[in-house]
Amino acid sequence: NAGVMQNPRHLVRRRGQEARLRCSPMKGHSHVYWYRQLPEEGLKFMVYLQKENIIDESGMPKERFSAEFPKEGPSILRIQQVVRGDSAAYFCASSPIQGLDIQYFGAGTRLSVL
Amino acid sequence: GENVEQHPSTLSVQEGDSAVIKCTYSDSASNYFPWYKQELGKGPQLIIDIRSNVGEKKDQRIAVTLNKTAKHFSLHITETQPEDSAVYFCAASIGSSGSARQLTFGSGTQLTVLP
Repeated sequence: NAGVMQNPRHLVRRRGQEARLRCSPMKGHSHVYWYRQLPEEGLKFMVYLQKENIIDESGMPKERFSAEFPKEGPSILRIQQVVRGDSAAYFCASSPIQGLDIQYFGAGTRLSVL
Repeated sequence: GENVEQHPSTLSVQEGDSAVIKCTYSDSASNYFPWYKQELGKGPQLIIDIRSNVGEKKDQRIAVTLNKTAKHFSLHITETQPEDSAVYFCAASIGSSGSARQLTFGSGTQLTVLP
């Protein structure tokens, strides 16, 4: 079984550009979480989504960040007008219906803002 | 909100020795405590977890203990091997058993096993 797939693995953007990070959950999983990891720190929760629904976005910055998980296709984390402080590793995790508290992580997208 | 403190930040042990990593949490309502191992350039991998109705759980060379009264939990790795070298994260969360929940992570422990 394929695990949680994230792409791209590395993304370089200049200040002011947009970044789009994609996450395909494990087969059969319909719940997705996004976390951000700054250098030398632990992961910080950003948002939790089910198909076509945002369930908890309490960790999302109020501006420039958005997330979606459409009926078809991967979950997308979108960062508009990126700034240097957005440079981080962004991880996606997914959960099965049976065992929603267990989260399986992808390999992450490392965003560098120049 | 929940806050998780993790110690030590770095830990070096000789191959074959044991390693212990400790975490404390602030919210007494937390009831699920997973541990993740993260190797360089990879995502966190779940290695063991424990729920608040259990005091200890073991899986081969790895064990986790939970003290709800003191609000702390620990990861124990016995007979360490070089491939155990990685960053280990503890996490805590609140929610009903089997329900979706956000994880609050500790800041990580870089474990180095010296051959």
